Amino acid sequence: GENVEQHPSTLSVQEGDSAVIKCTYSDSASNYFPWYKQELGKRPQLIIDIRSNVGEKKDQRIAVTLNKTAKHFSLHITETQPEDSAVYFCAASREGNTPLVFGKGTRLSVIA
Amino acid sequence: GAGVSQSPSNKVTEKGKDVELRCDPISGHTALYWYRQSLGQGLEFLIYFQGNSAPDKSGLPSDRFSAERTGGSVSTLTIQRTQQEDSAVYLCASNDRGGGYTFGSGTRLTVV
Repeated sequence: GENVEQHPSTLSVQEGDSAVIKCTYSDSASNYFPWYKQELGKRPQLIIDIRSNVGEKKDQRIAVTLNKTAKHFSLHITETQPEDSAVYFCAASREGNTPLVFGKGTRLSVIA
Repeated sequence: GAGVSQSPSNKVTEKGKDVELRCDPISGHTALYWYRQSLGQGLEFLIYFQGNSAPDKSGLPSDRFSAERTGGSVSTLTIQRTQQEDSAVYLCASNDRGGGYTFGSGTRLTVV
């Protein structure tokens, strides 16, 4: 089955700097890669996703890149703000066929 | 409904008792998922329902755990003879033939 590794487990950045979180996956048939943000005591919320037919996707300050050959994908947050502080989870699946397998999460702290 | 609803939001139970957790997915969503999140940990897959297909139970940690989905809508996760290691937040999510999941707020289960 799928296995998703995520790192780093914790990340501290100064406000305004960029943050990068990386994930690798094991199942070459996985084709759907979402990222979730979970604030303390709240439910995980989808922030961006990418499918295997594209290599990069952007949404304002957030971008995700995918390297299918190397089986890794990354989340990039630019111009970080204190409200970006949260735990971020990556995940992978064969869309519509298998459930998402999540990484163990990255706790991002943005220091004002 | 407008979102995924879970009840109860909190449940404290004595070791050895049975508990039932309820999930009401977004109307029309064909897929429903149960995950477990222990304190400060990632999301552990439990079970997945897709339409009228047989559920994927591959994530259930023991035969004390079971789930059903009636009428393709509401789902109940049952834990029999609860143990202290069952203490966690149980999250339900739904989606429609792929795409990102919408999570409920979860049920925080504490076994004392």
